[in-house]
Amino acid sequence: DVKVTQSSRYLVKRTGEKVFLECVQDMDHENMFWYRQDPGLGLRLIYFSYDVKMKEKGDIPEGYSVSREKKERFSLILESASTNQTSMYLCASRSQWGPETQYFGPGTRLLVL
Amino acid sequence: QKEVEQDPGPLSVPEGAIVSLNCTYSNSAFQYFMWYRQYSRKGPELLMYTYSSGNKEDGRFTAQVDKSSKYISLFIRDSQPSDSATYLCAVLENTGNQFYFGTGTSLTVIP
Repeated sequence: DVKVTQSSRYLVKRTGEKVFLECVQDMDHENMFWYRQDPGLGLRLIYFSYDVKMKEKGDIPEGYSVSREKKERFSLILESASTNQTSMYLCASRSQWGPETQYFGPGTRLLVL
Repeated sequence: QKEVEQDPGPLSVPEGAIVSLNCTYSNSAFQYFMWYRQYSRKGPELLMYTYSSGNKEDGRFTAQVDKSSKYISLFIRDSQPSDSATYLCAVLENTGNQFYFGTGTSLTVIP
């Protein structure tokens, strides 16, 4: 059974804190993605990575950074959390062989106070 | 202009009804068309996927792509309460890495 796991289901943080969201996949996929999902806005791509140590900005990278030191792990970092980063964060992974191989994690619901 | 537009609903139907969910897209370069289902507080899961145009059927679900009008549809026959979820359409270019998602349509099937 394919699996994308995220380190936390729910997180509550204070404004200005540095926040780490971890994602791990066990499918040996090359590509990994971080999205945020907000009502009325849908899924928006923050960053993606197509290989270890490689990263590309998505549509809304401001205020975020990422790290991919190992193929199976992709981390999203909120350098200084703000209230407008309260959202559902979804990680996904996909092989190079086709879009039908994309799988999502269960999501992390982040509340920034 | 957004890459994908989707009517957010919400949509509420009685059990057994036929459901039609729709999206429009802007770029004729998109070649892959996906439908994801997302249950409350879960990640999206791939339901149907079509390459280029035409229809694809899987049980009670039919995905349809009309490239001439840039219109994609998902039909659910004999809808069940377990179909209650948010349905997201997504598109991708042939050589692209980035999916573009619709905002999702919330569906409730009433027993």
